[in-house]
Amino acid sequence: KNEVEQSPQNLTAQEGEFITINCSYSVGISALHWLQQHPGGGIVSLFMLSSGKKKHGRLIATINIQEKHSSLHITASHPRDSAVYICAVYPNAGKSTFGDGTTLTVKP
Amino acid sequence: KAGVTQTPRYLIKTRGQQVTLSCSPISGHRSVSWYQQTPGQGLQFLFEYFSETQRNKGNFPGRFSGRQFSNSRSEMNVSTLELGDSALYLCASSALPLVGELFFGEGSRLTVL
Repeated sequence: KNEVEQSPQNLTAQEGEFITINCSYSVGISALHWLQQHPGGGIVSLFMLSSGKKKHGRLIATINIQEKHSSLHITASHPRDSAVYICAVYPNAGKSTFGDGTTLTVKP
Repeated sequence: KAGVTQTPRYLIKTRGQQVTLSCSPISGHRSVSWYQQTPGQGLQFLFEYFSETQRNKGNFPGRFSGRQFSNSRSEMNVSTLELGDSALYLCASSALPLVGELFFGEGSRLTVL
């Protein structure tokens, strides 16, 4: 079993819909990152979380340390949000681990 | 300020050869981490360096090695290349290890024939 479980694996939405991607992990962490990768493109770190909630534009990320769970929300989704979203866990000790990614397609 | 620079961007090697990839972090960043991305395995952690010291190493064979220089630039080396080493190799820099915001380079795409 992967230390980091992401869901859903694939997600198709209509433009304007509210989107949620979930990430569950099993180890104690120093930080959790949400990453975005466009097809053929590089990786951008959207958020780094160690507690609570962060918001940047239409994107919101939350983390519950006790439940070992994080969510990435996209409000008013747009076709340019189409990308792979990856949850990355950085443990207190040891090696960073990644979810398998969620492929998001937003249709106009 | 300039982002993370990885060189070369693309390279083709044959089995048995070795390769060296370079990563120049954002100015002032002292933490550099390396990752391998393949369609089958996704993103996997290779190494993390901070102030020239390797802090962590992923579950890769000894053919994979790295180092960090006093100017924070980092290199990784893969010896005796295998077909399965074909991948996108990414590095990321941050001001601090573990809790610093990550900035990724564009990656070096290695093809092993």
